[in-house]
Amino acid sequence: DIQMTQSPSTLSASVGDRVTITCRASQSISTFLAWYQQKPGKAPNLLIYKASTLQSRVPSRFSGSGSGTEFTLTISNLQPDDFATYYCQQYDTYLYSFGQGTKLEIK
Amino acid sequence: EVQLVESGGGLVQPGGSLRLSCAASGFSFSGYDMHWVRQVTGKRLEWVSGITNTADTYYSGSVKGRFTISRENARNSLYLQMNSLRVEDTGLYYCAREKMTGVFDYWGQGTLVTVSS
Repeated sequence: DIQMTQSPSTLSASVGDRVTITCRASQSISTFLAWYQQKPGKAPNLLIYKASTLQSRVPSRFSGSGSGTEFTLTISNLQPDDFATYYCQQYDTYLYSFGQGTKLEIK
Repeated sequence: EVQLVESGGGLVQPGGSLRLSCAASGFSFSGYDMHWVRQVTGKRLEWVSGITNTADTYYSGSVKGRFTISRENARNSLYLQMNSLRVEDTGLYYCAREKMTGVFDYWGQGTLVTVSS
């Protein structure tokens, strides 16, 4: 099974900051990677797929990059609505797997 | 508007069974692959099972042989029959629509399964 590891687990930032979350796969997954945002009490929401393709209606301050085993999610000009938990997910193999999550907190 | 509404969760003893349902609306259900994803201990997401629009089924190793996914296109419904439940199956179970292979673009609000004696 492919293991996904995110860092950091928690990230403190302020409105207007630019932040980066890293996701590493235990083996190469090409660009078969998605990012989701989850707010308390809500279901995950798809942000990015194919490592860098923005889902429709997702603000352009979100961007993704990477291939192989290392990926990043960058949020520019943080807005109050962005404070949430973020998960990466690989879909290279049918045993899909998620990272453990990164909680983005207000500093 | 796409909607997915799960039901059927509850408290069950280890070794027991539950059947989860997911009612879909707002899209052509029969044309989409569908999945169950669970969230355990309020944090980590775990893919559980998937079914293609042609009813091919897939399971994670931790539930294979115990859970059965199925769909009823005439009722726009997805199901998960869970047998031989274990304490570690406790979690919030989401129904999710697949946008493209392995990418989930719509999720329900989840139904809680608690396995405890």
